Amino acid sequence: ETGVTQSPTHLIKTRGQQVTLRCSSQSGHNTVSWYQQALGQGPQFIFQYYREEENGRGNFPPRFSGLQFPNYSSELNVNALELDDSALYLCASSLQQGPGELFFGEGSRLTVL
Amino acid sequence: DAKTTQPPSMDCAEGRAANLPCNHSTISGNEYVYWYRQIHSQGPQYIIHGLKNNETNEMASLIITEDRKSSTLILPHATLRDTAVYYCIVRVDGNNRLAFGKGNQVVVIP
Repeated sequence: ETGVTQSPTHLIKTRGQQVTLRCSSQSGHNTVSWYQQALGQGPQFIFQYYREEENGRGNFPPRFSGLQFPNYSSELNVNALELDDSALYLCASSLQQGPGELFFGEGSRLTVL
Repeated sequence: DAKTTQPPSMDCAEGRAANLPCNHSTISGNEYVYWYRQIHSQGPQYIIHGLKNNETNEMASLIITEDRKSSTLILPHATLRDTAVYYCIVRVDGNNRLAFGKGNQVVVIP
């Protein structure tokens, strides 16, 4: 148990639709990052939020966007879904941006048909 | 971030020490070595990290060579529950962007 919860755990969408995934960070953690994990691959960094501002982004198009709220919970939004967006989406929180442990949730598995 | 090289898979015997190698020959001075593991269908789990010195915690030991170009994660007494994909990652201080790679699929055999 990491204290990081994600919802929904599973969902199915069709191409062109939009999806919102949610993450509740461990209490007191002010940094959250999102990762995409395709089947058989390691997680790929999407972006990171620190104190409600995006401050790092991986190689993902603008249709991947996010929010971090004052209570440090977070959302990942994906517009215009494509088949290749099918993956496990992982949220990770940490106390700060320095060295230390990232706490991962169990992920949201998205299937795009 | 520096890249890491791990074997794609390995088996180890239950009850024995498991030694998981990792090469990171291009690591720079401010990059930490991190190990995570991912049990099937779960989120990655932090194991241990280090900069220069060897580290030990309740899960594992991390041995980093003096030139920092490679490291070994040691699971002292492997159990069946240690079967997982193990990721060796180098991480820049202050950066939460972890470059996971494909990892090492470790299977603990009874």
